[in-house]
Amino acid sequence: DAGITQSPRHKVTETGTPVTLRCHQTENHRYMYWYRQDPGHGLRLIHYSYGVKDTDKGEVSDGYSVSRSKTEDFLLTLESATSSQTSVYFCAISGSGMETQYFGPGTRLLVL
Amino acid sequence: GESVGLHLPTLSVQEGDNSIINCAYSNSASDYFIWYKQESGKGPQFIIDIRSNMDKRQGQRVTVLLNKTVKHLSLQIAATQPGDSAVYFCAEVGAGNKLTFGGGTRVLVKP
Repeated sequence: DAGITQSPRHKVTETGTPVTLRCHQTENHRYMYWYRQDPGHGLRLIHYSYGVKDTDKGEVSDGYSVSRSKTEDFLLTLESATSSQTSVYFCAISGSGMETQYFGPGTRLLVL
Repeated sequence: GESVGLHLPTLSVQEGDNSIINCAYSNSASDYFIWYKQESGKGPQFIIDIRSNMDKRQGQRVTVLLNKTVKHLSLQIAATQPGDSAVYFCAEVGAGNKLTFGGGTRVLVKP
C-alpha cells in the first residue's frame, strides 16, 4: 500500500460522537486525500491537502473536517457522527502535479 | 467483506482468455487517466495510466486504449488469471489532481 497506513482499520461508534481517522504516509508526498466508498456511489472525494496546513473541500465535504499539521499525517474528523457516514474511508497520496494517487488499506466505520 | 457496489456490471471470463473492460469518461478536458484494481477488503491498487497525448499504453499483461473522440477508455488484460478477479475502476484526473472515478466493473475469472 505504498507506505500508507490508516488507523483505526475498523471502528464502531454511536450517532453524535466525534470520530477521528488518521492517515500516515512515509513517502513524503505533498498531496493527501480522503475518500469514502459506498455501494452505488463508488469512491467520492471528501477533502484533500496540497501541503502542510493547506486543505480544500471535495464533493462530499459536509459533516467532515480535516487537518494536516505535518507532511506525513492527514486527519479526518467527523465532529458529530451520523448513520449516513457509515462507510469505508480511504486515504490516498500523490506527489506534486499530475501524478497517480496511491491508496491506503481503508477504514471501515459503522455509526449506530 | 465487500466494500464496493452490489450491482456492478460483471464480466465473467474464462481463465486464460483475454478480458476487455470499458469506461466512458465525462470531461473532455481531462488529460490523465488511471485504471485501478480493487480486491475485496482492500484499497484500490494502481494498474496503469495514460495521458491524453497517447492512444495506447502497454504494461505487463495489460493494455490501456484511449479514444478521445468518443471519450472512451478500455483496459485489456491478456491471459486472465484467477488473481485478476476484482473490481476495476477507471479514473480521470482533473484540476488539483482530483480523481473522478467511474462506477467500476467486476471481473470474475472462471477456472
